[in-house]
Amino acid sequence: QVQLQQSGPGLVKPSQTLSLTCAISGDSVSDNSAAWNWIRQSPSRGLEWLGRTYYRSKSYNDYAVSVRSRITINPDTSNNLFSLQLTSVTPEDTAVYYCARSPLLNYDILTGYYNVNAFDIWGQGTMVTVSS
Amino acid sequence: DIQMTQSPSSLSASVGDRVTITCRASQGISNSLAWYQQKPGKAPKLLLYAASRLESGVPSRFSGSGSGADYTLTISSLQPEDFATYYCQQYFSTPPWTFGQGTKVEI
Repeated sequence: QVQLQQSGPGLVKPSQTLSLTCAISGDSVSDNSAAWNWIRQSPSRGLEWLGRTYYRSKSYNDYAVSVRSRITINPDTSNNLFSLQLTSVTPEDTAVYYCARSPLLNYDILTGYYNVNAFDIWGQGTMVTVSS
Repeated sequence: DIQMTQSPSSLSASVGDRVTITCRASQGISNSLAWYQQKPGKAPKLLLYAASRLESGVPSRFSGSGSGADYTLTISSLQPEDFATYYCQQYFSTPPWTFGQGTKVEI
């Protein structure tokens, strides 16, 4: 079955870069039928979708407006994983970070996006604290 | 962005009770609605998608209904393992995908 295994540091200093990876087993990061997402959860912000990467002949990304200037999500086809980088972190970025899969459905010609399904597979979560 | 509002934020119930949680979107979302269960220290687990479709392996006491902007999660007979926090999430049309604030089901 499909599994996602997260790794990365649990403590990041303010102004530095948060880096996490999500290793995929049982599926492929370059699979045309899935998007690979990062989601975080904190008491103040609840569950917040941060962004995604997916393949449809080439790699695409979408990011939440709240983090768009600071976030990069990259697929790594050689190692079958995807990564999250969040730059210039502050204590507001303290949260549990999750990776998750969402199946891609049909292409909507009106929006220019592929319709998706729910987040069906999740990583185990990584608690990241931003503190000096 | 589409805002998701869940109610209640918490509820107290007993084993065997019928429990209903509602979720309202700030606009119609054409049944692009999922429900998740989360237990402390764990990732959310998908229960239902497309408003009423049960994810594989999820007990049939969980059901979903609704249309337009209003949706409901029902647990027909609460079991001890069902005490958890439940979230709705919309995945309509374009990003960003958004979640409700959660409903904690307590004894």
